[in-house]
Amino acid sequence: EVQLVESGGGLVQPGGSLRLSCAASGFTFSSYSMNWVRQAPGKGLEWVSYISSSSSTIYYADSVKGRFTISRDNAKNSLYLQMNSLRDEDTAVYYCARLYGEFDIWGQGTMVTVSS
Amino acid sequence: DIQMTQSPSSLSASVGDRVTITCRASQGIRNDLGWYQQKPGKAPKRLIYAASSLQSGVPSRFSGSGSGTEFTLTISSLQPEDFATYYCLQHNSYPPFTFGPGTKVDIK
Repeated sequence: EVQLVESGGGLVQPGGSLRLSCAASGFTFSSYSMNWVRQAPGKGLEWVSYISSSSSTIYYADSVKGRFTISRDNAKNSLYLQMNSLRDEDTAVYYCARLYGEFDIWGQGTMVTVSS
Repeated sequence: DIQMTQSPSSLSASVGDRVTITCRASQGIRNDLGWYQQKPGKAPKRLIYAASSLQSGVPSRFSGSGSGTEFTLTISSLQPEDFATYYCLQHNSYPPFTFGPGTKVDIK
């Protein structure tokens, strides 16, 4: 079964850091570009970051540029998002999503709450 | 950046109704658009890819059309399990990938 499973969310104070992980299974992870997408409580979907299959190309939304770092380990079939200098407005459910045309496969999401 | 708008932002409909949701792009995106359904507490689920192709396993009452700047998602006969929020997503020109703001479909 093709599956993405996120982990690493939690409660963090403003200015703090958190590292999210996304474990992939059921497909050849190293062949696909991957993304992080987030959804603040009661709000719509917001693309956060993209990484190509070989990690050669990386993009970020302006809202997280300079604070978040996307990476992947194809040997471990895993995607990561290192989040630093977290702000209240980063509070959201974070999803990893595979890019195949559009985002075709999504994980179940992991909640990140930034609050003092 | 390409901006995506959706209309309506919400609608109330009855089981069996035909429902149409429109998504507009600020510039031409060919057919590089997908439609997603999201239920509360769940991840989005892709319904339509390449503007008009039905995702495997998705009921045939869902259909998509359009190209360029205007796209529609149609549910031919609304079922109880279709009450959800629907989003469009463009992947023609990125970064950034951009979603529409969503259309909430609820029970009349």
